Amino acid sequence: EAGVVQSPRYKIIEKKQPVAFWCNPISGHNTLYWYLQNLGQGPELLIRYENEEAVDDSQLPKDRFSAERLKGVDSTLKIQPAELGDSAVYLCASSLNGADTQYFGPGTRLTVL
Amino acid sequence: GDSVTQMEGPVTLSEEAFLTINCTYTATGYPSLFWYVQYPGEGLQLLLKATKADDKGSNKGFEATYRKETTSFHLEKGSVQVSDSAVYFCALSEKTNAGKSTFGDGTTLTVKP
Repeated sequence: EAGVVQSPRYKIIEKKQPVAFWCNPISGHNTLYWYLQNLGQGPELLIRYENEEAVDDSQLPKDRFSAERLKGVDSTLKIQPAELGDSAVYLCASSLNGADTQYFGPGTRLTVL
Repeated sequence: GDSVTQMEGPVTLSEEAFLTINCTYTATGYPSLFWYVQYPGEGLQLLLKATKADDKGSNKGFEATYRKETTSFHLEKGSVQVSDSAVYFCALSEKTNAGKSTFGDGTTLTVKP
């Protein structure tokens, strides 16, 4: 069974440019999460979806970050414009019906110059 | 709010040494507790979990016991191997909101031959 797929794995951009990350969860998992992981820290939730609905986006900086999960399967996280402080690893995870065990993708490492 | 505190790293051990990584938590209810492991270049993987007081989670020689009286979930392994070198994250999720998890900052373990 395929795990959570993320792309790209690495991205280097200049500040003020836009960037997008893509995630495909484990087949059948209706709950999808986007996390931010800064160096030396644990993951911090940005947004959680139940199917197409964003049920927790309280930590998403909505002035520059946006996310969508139009068909309740794969999802895209966008930053526009990127700032130097956005350099981090962006993790996607999925679970079945919000079950407490989450399955993580390998992450996208973003570097903003 | 909920929080997880892990012993600070990095931790460096010789092969076959005994491992303990401390984890304590603060939560409003009685959460489920987890240890995740992150190998270099990979996403987090569930290592073990416990869902109620006095439960012991175990996997791959690692163990952790849910101690409600001390609000702790310390990770132990009797004899570490070089292949155990990774970052270990303690986490909790509230049973009333299983999709919402809180992670510690991680402890980096390096095992030398």
